[in-house]
Amino acid sequence: DIVMTQTPLSSPVTLGQPASISCRSSQSLVHSDGDTYLSWLQKRPGQPPRLLIYKISNRFSGVPDRFSGSGAGTDFTLKISRVEAEDVGVYYCMQSSHFPLTFGGGTKVEIK
Amino acid sequence: QVQLVQSGAEVKKPGASVKVSCKASGYTFTNYGISWVRQAPGQGLEWMGWISAYNGKTKYGQNFEGRVTMTTDTSTGTAYMELRSLRSDDTAVYYCAREDFDDSGSDYWGQGTLVTVSS
Repeated sequence: DIVMTQTPLSSPVTLGQPASISCRSSQSLVHSDGDTYLSWLQKRPGQPPRLLIYKISNRFSGVPDRFSGSGAGTDFTLKISRVEAEDVGVYYCMQSSHFPLTFGGGTKVEIK
Repeated sequence: QVQLVQSGAEVKKPGASVKVSCKASGYTFTNYGISWVRQAPGQGLEWMGWISAYNGKTKYGQNFEGRVTMTTDTSTGTAYMELRSLRSDDTAVYYCAREDFDDSGSDYWGQGTLVTVSS
């Protein structure tokens, strides 16, 4: 199974300041079709997960442009350009290039 | 708009089975698959498996192989996840998600179903 490792575990951020989360996979996420199926999801308490970014850098419908994704191969990053109060929650990277699908352990974004 | 609506909370005794439903609307059901993911209290997200709504093909996570069955009813656009031989550590919120392996991945999610296993 592909292991997804996220850092940091927790990210205290001042409102309006940027936040960055890293995700590393134990093997390449490049699919045989040439695409890389790495997603980022936001999980708020009491809410279902919400897709933010898919295929490394594509923002899903309705996702604010302060969220951006980058990376390639085994190293990926989610950036929030200016953290807002509604961004508080746990962020997960997820790979769907190979079965079984696997998630990172999560990064908690909280306000300082 | 795409919606996935799950069945309500369940309380089960150890050793019992639970069957959670996920009714899809707003898209052509058979054009996508459904993944099932769970989150135990204080824990992260865990993928349980996937079913193709097109042909019923399934892939299960190793932790659930032999204990889970995923099915779909294309006439009603509903997916089901049955978990057997429940243990206390199966207490979790169970989510279904529309799965688009060609593009956006797990893009739309159900609201979640709390399954509590307790004697």
